[in-house]
Amino acid sequence: DVQMTQSPSTLSASVGDRVTITCRASLTVSDWLAWYQQKPGRAPKLLIYRASTLESGVPSRFSGSGSDTEFTLTISSLQPDDFATYYCQQYNDYWTFGQGTKVEIK
Amino acid sequence: QITLKESGPTLVKPTQTLTLTCNFSGFSISTSGVGVAWIRQPPGKALEWLALIYWDGDKRYSPSLKRRLTITQDTSKSQVVLTMTNMGPVDTGTYYCAHRRPITHGTFDIWGQGTVVTVS
Repeated sequence: DVQMTQSPSTLSASVGDRVTITCRASLTVSDWLAWYQQKPGRAPKLLIYRASTLESGVPSRFSGSGSDTEFTLTISSLQPDDFATYYCQQYNDYWTFGQGTKVEIK
Repeated sequence: QITLKESGPTLVKPTQTLTLTCNFSGFSISTSGVGVAWIRQPPGKALEWLALIYWDGDKRYSPSLKRRLTITQDTSKSQVVLTMTNMGPVDTGTYYCAHRRPITHGTFDIWGQGTVVTVS
C-alpha cells in the first residue's frame, strides 16, 4: 500500500501569507497526485490534479508541484476563504489520502 | 451538471450491516472510463477510500476492508450501492460518494454532500 504523509499537520498563518504544504508518498506515484480543500461540514473540493494542473474554477493563487514521492501545495497569498483543511491523494495505485493539514488563522 | 447524493440509515447497531445508496445525475455510469467511489471520514479524522465501481462493472476495494465491503451498480436507476458488514463504533463517520473523472488515472472530481452514520 502507498502511504501518504503530509506536513505540517497544522499551520497558522495570516491573510496575505505564502503557505506551503508538503506531501510525501511511501512509493513513487509518478505525478498521479491530487490536492483537495475541505471546510467544516462540507465535502472535499478538488483543487489540483496530476500534481500541478489546476482544476477549472480554482483561483490561480493555488499551485502544485512535485513528482514521484515529493509534492507541495502552495497558496501564494492566503485569503480568508482559504482557511480550511487540505488533503493530498495519490491515485497511481488505488486511492490513498494524506492525514490532512489544517490551515488556521494566526 | 453532475450531482451525487448519499442516503442511508443515520444509526446502526454494532454487528449490523450498513447499506448506503448513492443517487447520481448528470452522467451515465455506462460511459467508458466513468467510476463511482465511496470514501469515508471519521469525526475529526482523515479521508479513507473504501471502494470504487467502474463503468464496465469492474470493482476495487480497500485492501484493509475488502472482506466487509460490496459495491454494486444499478444502471437503470443511476444508483451505486455500498454494503458494509459487521459494523462497529470505529465505522462511525461521514460517508461520501464521488464521481471518478473518466480519463486514464482519473481522480474524484465531484463529491456528494455526505451522509453521517453512527454506530451505537
